[in-house]
Amino acid sequence: DAKTTQPPSMDCAEGRAANLPCNHSTISGNEYVYWYRQIHSQGPQYIIHGLKNNETNEMASLIITEDRKSSTLILPHATLRDTAVYYCIVRVIQGAQKLVFGQGTRLTINP
Amino acid sequence: EAQVTQNPRYLITVTGKKLTVTCSQNMNHEYMSWYRQDPGLGLRQIYYSMNVEVTDKGDVPEGYKVSRKEKRNFPLILESPSPNQTSLYFCASSLSTGFYNSPLHFGNGTRLTVT
Repeated sequence: DAKTTQPPSMDCAEGRAANLPCNHSTISGNEYVYWYRQIHSQGPQYIIHGLKNNETNEMASLIITEDRKSSTLILPHATLRDTAVYYCIVRVIQGAQKLVFGQGTRLTINP
Repeated sequence: EAQVTQNPRYLITVTGKKLTVTCSQNMNHEYMSWYRQDPGLGLRQIYYSMNVEVTDKGDVPEGYKVSRKEKRNFPLILESPSPNQTSLYFCASSLSTGFYNSPLHFGNGTRLTVT
């Protein structure tokens, strides 16, 4: 599975959009991009995933560049409860039976 | 409510005293897995199961056992715990192994301390 690179930490003001970048320059055509988050020491929570097209759900939007080498997770109106570590994961559709979590980005939402 | 339930949430034990951490899911998921999380090392997979009676080692299986006798339960067994197994443990499940059409659902964790 392709490796990902994320900034270790980011800050965002409450009510603003939080844009979390992820670099996956070695991604191959059959690899999905997943985003999970972990609030404090709770279990990771699924946010969104995509292959080529941009995706949106009730939690967030995922923007994947045309060359698929990077993506951005957008939390449109961040709240204090969005403070968490955000993980960007790339995985082959039928790859190893696990998700590989890196160090992620620690996002802090400030009041 | 669809969920993955782990018990206990906190456990303090002594070296060598066998223990079991239970994991149960109510979503009829085929795939289940155990991870441990340690500072600086992230989440690492211990064992996984693709269906009843089908289990396999993850990245850090030493010192652990699992069983999958029923679809909903996937207990993690530490036959002789040691201090290096002090960690935060997570159980996870998914409808299928592809993950792309069924996200991985995690339990709330078990914090284990072995003295």
